[in-house]
Amino acid sequence: DTAVSQTPKYLVTQMGNDKSIKCEQNLGHDTMYWYKQDSKKFLKIMFSYNNKELIINETVPNRFSPKSPDKAHLNLHINSLELGDSAVYFCASRPRFDEQFFGPGTRLTVL
Amino acid sequence: QKEVEQDPGPLSVPEGAIVSLNCTYSNSAFQYFMWYRQYSRKGPELLMYTYSSGNKEDGRFTAQVDKSSKYISLFIRDSQPSDSATYLCAMSLIDDKIIFGKGTRLHILP
Repeated sequence: DTAVSQTPKYLVTQMGNDKSIKCEQNLGHDTMYWYKQDSKKFLKIMFSYNNKELIINETVPNRFSPKSPDKAHLNLHINSLELGDSAVYFCASRPRFDEQFFGPGTRLTVL
Repeated sequence: QKEVEQDPGPLSVPEGAIVSLNCTYSNSAFQYFMWYRQYSRKGPELLMYTYSSGNKEDGRFTAQVDKSSKYISLFIRDSQPSDSATYLCAMSLIDDKIIFGKGTRLHILP
C-alpha cells in the first residue's frame, strides 16, 4: 500500500563508485521529483519529471542522472560518488497544484 | 535574500503550550502555502495547505497566511510530545516547483 517507495533505504559506499536509487509511486501522479536533504535538514530540489519528461533540472553536477522509464518510476543514478554526496535523498510525486507525497528516503553515506 | 526564511530552532516548549512557527518569503507571486512535518528518519508529510490569506484550522493546528507581510505561521494548540518533529514551511506558484524552508526542529517536553 506504500504510495511512494524507494530502494535501498540505506546505502554505504566508497568514493568513486557508481550507484543507483530507485523510486516508484502507485498514486497515478504525473509529476515526480528528487530532493536532497543535507545534514542541516535543508530540502533542496534536484530534478522534476512530468510524464517521463524532464521539467526541472536544478544546478546539480552532471554525475547525477535521473531516468524515468515510465510515469510511475523515477530512478537516480550517481557516478563517481564524492564525500559531499552523503545525504538523504527523497523521491516525491505530486498531483497538479496539490501536495507532494514523499518517499521514506534513502540515506547515502560515501566513505 | 533567500526565497524562504525559517528559523531552524531548536524550539523547546512544555507539553500543553501553544507553539508558533513562522516563515517569511520574498516572492510575492507565491500562491500556495504549505506546512510539512518530518519525523526523524522519515519523509516529510503534508500537514496543511492554503492558497489564500487568512486562517485555516484543522484540529489543534492553525495555518495563517499574511500575503501583505509575506509571512506565514503555524500554530499548534495543546502541544503533545508526539508533535516533536521538524516542521517545514513550503510555498509555490501554480504548477511550479515547491520551495521549502530549512525547517524548525520542535521539542515538546513532557
